[in-house]
Amino acid sequence: DGGITQSPKYLFRKEGQNVTLSCEQNLNHDAMYWYRQDPGQGLRLIYYSQIVNDFQKGDIAEGYSVSREKKESFPLTVTSAQKNPTAFYLCASCSGRNLNEQFFGPGTRLTVL
Amino acid sequence: GEDVEQSLFLSVREGDSSVINCTYTDSSSTYLYWYKQEPGAGLQLLTYIFSNMDMKQDQRLTVLLNKKDKHLSLRIADTQTGDSAIYFCAESNEDTGRRALTFGSGTRLQVQP
Repeated sequence: DGGITQSPKYLFRKEGQNVTLSCEQNLNHDAMYWYRQDPGQGLRLIYYSQIVNDFQKGDIAEGYSVSREKKESFPLTVTSAQKNPTAFYLCASCSGRNLNEQFFGPGTRLTVL
Repeated sequence: GEDVEQSLFLSVREGDSSVINCTYTDSSSTYLYWYKQEPGAGLQLLTYIFSNMDMKQDQRLTVLLNKKDKHLSLRIADTQTGDSAIYFCAESNEDTGRRALTFGSGTRLQVQP
């Protein structure tokens, strides 16, 4: 089955710790994205990558870092510098030729204790 | 930056039509999208419309675009309880270097049996 997966579904972190969220896709998509969703708000773009070994900051990149060493994978690290990390994190991918086929993963809910 | 706005909540009775509205500020938007999010899940693309179109119909879904007023709507005919979800409007601009979508804050649709 082709798709985009995120793990874990729920993640708990102590304040001051870094944590890495996984995102994998087997759709052969070039572009991948990380969004953050807070209650009552839309999705805000954290980082995106159009191609392997390249990525760009989105609107709220501070306190986050990413890597794109493989086409299939785009992990997001939430660092201790992120002031309010508790949120629902969504990963997406698309073919890169256009944005009309952007597929989303099921999301990871991160809670900082 | 560009902005996309939606009302927060809509309640309808089963069998009625639902109309979810969205306004956007980017006059150069290339495509406009409607996504559906069920509780605790990722986003599912419902439909999209190219900016030079006025209307698109897909089974129970009708999208209307008023480019002059920068207004987009999604009509769901014969609304069912399974349509209860959050609906996000989004836009993209293929002419900029930003290859990502801008989302509204979402409209929660509640369908009363």
